[in-house]
Amino acid sequence: DAKTTQPTSMDCAEGRAANLPCNHSTISGNEYVYWYRQIHSQGPQYIIHGLKNNETNEMASLIITEDRKSSTLILPHATLRDTAVYYCIVRGLYSGGSNYKLTFGKGTLLTVNP
Amino acid sequence: DAGVTQSPTHLIKTRGQQVTLRCSPKSGHDTVSWYQQALGQGPQFIFQYYEEEERQRGNFPDRFSGHQFPNYSSELNVNALLLGDSALYLCASSLVNQGWETQYFGPGTRLLVL
Repeated sequence: DAKTTQPTSMDCAEGRAANLPCNHSTISGNEYVYWYRQIHSQGPQYIIHGLKNNETNEMASLIITEDRKSSTLILPHATLRDTAVYYCIVRGLYSGGSNYKLTFGKGTLLTVNP
Repeated sequence: DAGVTQSPTHLIKTRGQQVTLRCSPKSGHDTVSWYQQALGQGPQFIFQYYEEEERQRGNFPDRFSGHQFPNYSSELNVNALLLGDSALYLCASSLVNQGWETQYFGPGTRLLVL
């Protein structure tokens, strides 16, 4: 799986958009970008994933650059409950080899301030 | 619809003892993965079970073993506990759909080894 690079921490004001970047310059053509978050002492929560098109769901939007070497997770109106560690994970199709697992880095600690 | 459940929530053991952690997958899911999360780190993949067989294993010693039952629930067993086994143990369940799968995590079991 391709390696990802994320900032260690970020701050965001409540009600504003939070934009969390992720670099994955070695991503290959069949690898997806997944985002999870983990609120303190809870299990990770799935947010969104994508291959090359931008994706949106009820939680967030995922913007993947055209060359797929980086992506941004957008929380459109951050609330205090969005304070968490956000993990960007690159993963190939579920087809054997090493693709069954999720490889977590240290993620980005997003702190939403009142 | 219940999500992934894990038991117990907390556990205290002493060095050399053995421990069994339990996981019930989300309804409709047939695959269970286990992760270990040390303090301040991202989750690390231990192994994944599908059709009652270990499908993939991470870099963990043989002291870590597992089992999946016909109802898809799973157990993680750790023998000869070490202080370094103190961690949050996470279970994730999933269902493969057209070559990709999304893992949904339970709340975890926090194990303290004294």
